Amino acid sequence: KQEVTQIPAALSVPEGENLVLNCSFTDSAIYNLQWFRQDPGKGLTSLLLIQSSQREQTSGRLNASLDKSSGRSTLYIAASQPGDSATYLCAVGGGSYIPTFGRGTSLIVHP
Amino acid sequence: DAGVTQSPTHLIKTRGQQVTLRCSPKSGHDTVSWYQQALGQGPQFIFQYYEEEERQRGNFPDRFSGHQFPNYSSELNVNALLLGDSALYLCASSLLGTGVRGYGYTFGSGTRLTVV
Repeated sequence: KQEVTQIPAALSVPEGENLVLNCSFTDSAIYNLQWFRQDPGKGLTSLLLIQSSQREQTSGRLNASLDKSSGRSTLYIAASQPGDSATYLCAVGGGSYIPTFGRGTSLIVHP
Repeated sequence: DAGVTQSPTHLIKTRGQQVTLRCSPKSGHDTVSWYQQALGQGPQFIFQYYEEEERQRGNFPDRFSGHQFPNYSSELNVNALLLGDSALYLCASSLLGTGVRGYGYTFGSGTRLTVV
C-alpha cells in the first residue's frame, strides 16, 4: 500500500524567502506525481504534474522535482509572497490511476 | 471551459439522515473520483466511476454509494449519517478512456457536509 509523507507539516516564513516542501512515498512504481494547493475550506488547485519519466516541472516561481528511485519529490517556491499562504498537497499516482495523498504542508508567509 | 462543478457547496444534516452530493466533471473527462477530507487531513479516496460502473473503491463502508450517468456526471450518496461523516467531500475528474496515465486530476471546490 502506497504511503505518502509530507514534511514539514507546517511552515511559517517571512516574505521573500525561498522554500522547499518535501514529499516522500514508499512505492516507487508510480505513473505521475501531482502537487496541489488548497486554500482553507476550498477545493484543490493543481500546481504541477510530473510524469514518471520526467525529472522536474516548472511554472513561474514553482519548481517540482521527482526522484522515483529514492521515492521523493520536492516543491521549490521562489521569493515567497503572502498570497502563497495555503496548504500544499502532494498526490502520487500509482496503479489503477488512483492517486494517494499526503496530509499536506500548511504554509504561512507573513509580510 | 468549465472545470469540475460540485453541488451543493454546504450542507447540514442530522445524524441518521441520507445525503446526495453531485458532481459534473471537466469537459472531455470521463472518470469521476470521490474523496473525503476531514479537517487537517489529506483527501481519502472513496471510489471511482468509469463507464457508469464503480471501478475502484477505498476503505469506506457500504453506506457510501455512488452513481455515474451517461453524461459522466456523478452522485455520491451517504446513508445513515454519522457525526464522523462531517467533512469536505471532493470530486475529481480525469481522462481514463484512452489509457493515458499521464493526465492528472482536476478537482472541484467541494461540498462541506456537517452532520449534527
